Order: sequence, then structure tokens, then C-alpha cells
Amino acid sequence: GDSVTQMEGPVTLSEEAFLTINCTYTATGYPSLFWYVQYPGEGLQLLLKATKADDKGSNKGFEATYRKETTSFHLEKGSVQVSDSAVYFCALSGWRGGSEKLVFGKGTKLTVNP
Amino acid sequence: EPEVTQTPSHQVTQMGQEVILRCVPISNHLYFYWYRQILGQKVEFLVSFYNNEISEKSEIFDDQFSVERPDGSNFTLKIRSTKLEDSAMYFCASSELDLTYNEQFFGPGTRLTVL
Repeated sequence: GDSVTQMEGPVTLSEEAFLTINCTYTATGYPSLFWYVQYPGEGLQLLLKATKADDKGSNKGFEATYRKETTSFHLEKGSVQVSDSAVYFCALSGWRGGSEKLVFGKGTKLTVNP
Repeated sequence: EPEVTQTPSHQVTQMGQEVILRCVPISNHLYFYWYRQILGQKVEFLVSFYNNEISEKSEIFDDQFSVERPDGSNFTLKIRSTKLEDSAMYFCASSELDLTYNEQFFGPGTRLTVL
């Protein structure tokens, strides 16, 4: 079945460092890909998405490009802030619309130090 | 901004007891979901619900689990006889009908501890 693998954490960076969190997936067909973020004590929030190959999702300085050839959707940010400290989840959905479930990776905890 | 809410934030129960976890989805959303995350593991899909019936469920969602939308606002997950391995964070989510992608909005979760 569909699955998502993301790099193990935790990841600790200094403010203004470059961030990469790797994510690869296995899926039949053409899934939509997502990054969700969970701040301490809060629910999962959609950070960015891409619905087809070569799409680039971006939000709040974060970017990820849907690479079908490498089945990857790596999350990047050029300069992290302390406020980016959170757990990041890569996820896929197999259907464009409707009730298709999300399949998540294990999550990567990011801590950014001042 | 509309949001999904869940109650309680933390539930402690004895093994074998029934628990009901409550969720209030975003008001104009049509699809509802439950996920769970056992500590240190992946967020896992349990069930999706549309038009007052289950549209999909995982193998985790066995006869001990049930879902209900008892009125126009609440969406509940019942675990009939809890086991130790049911201890997890349970997330409710909702989405509206969208033909391009399925953005699900999540609640803050209920931490269930089974003793």
C-alpha cells in the first residue's frame, strides 16, 4: 500500500541555518503530497501542498517540489527562525478530492535555537 | 478563523471501560475523519465519514470502534472496551468537497491514556 518515509529526527539547528527534511513516498497512481506542521499543544496544520509532478508548494518561506522521478517531496527553508520549532509531517493522499485518507510519515521534530 | 475542536484534551480510563471522544468539525465541511498517533509512531488513519455513513476504515478500526454524528455539529469516536494499546493521541479532521485536493483541517487532539 501507499507509504511515506521521512528522515528521522530530532533536528536541531541554529537560527538562520538552512533546513532540509527529506521525504520519499511509495504510491500507486498520482498522489497529492503535503507537509503538515504541529506546533506544541496544537493540531496538525497544512503547511504546503503539491498536487502534480513538478509542482512546487510554498508557504512561510518553506518550499517543497513534487519529484515523480525520485518519488520525493523534500521540505526546505533557507533561514529558519526559533518560531519554526515544531514537528513536521510529510503526507500523501491518493485522490484529488473527496474522502481519501492521508498517509503520514513518522514526523520530524525540529528545534531552532537562538 | 473556523477551526476543528476536540474534547477532552486528555482522557484517562481503566482498561475495559468505554470512552467517547468528541469533535466539532468546521461547520460547512462534509467529510470527517479520525486518526491516531501512538507515542513515537506514525499518524494513522482510522476512519472517514460522509453523508452519515462510514466511507472508509482501516484495519485498526475493528468492532470495538464506532463513529457517530449525533447532531448537526458533533462527530464522535467511541471505543467500546478500551485496551492498553489504545493509548494514543486521537485527531479529528474535516474537509469540504474539493475536486482538486483534499485539504483536511485537524483538531488539537485528545490524548487517551488507558491504565
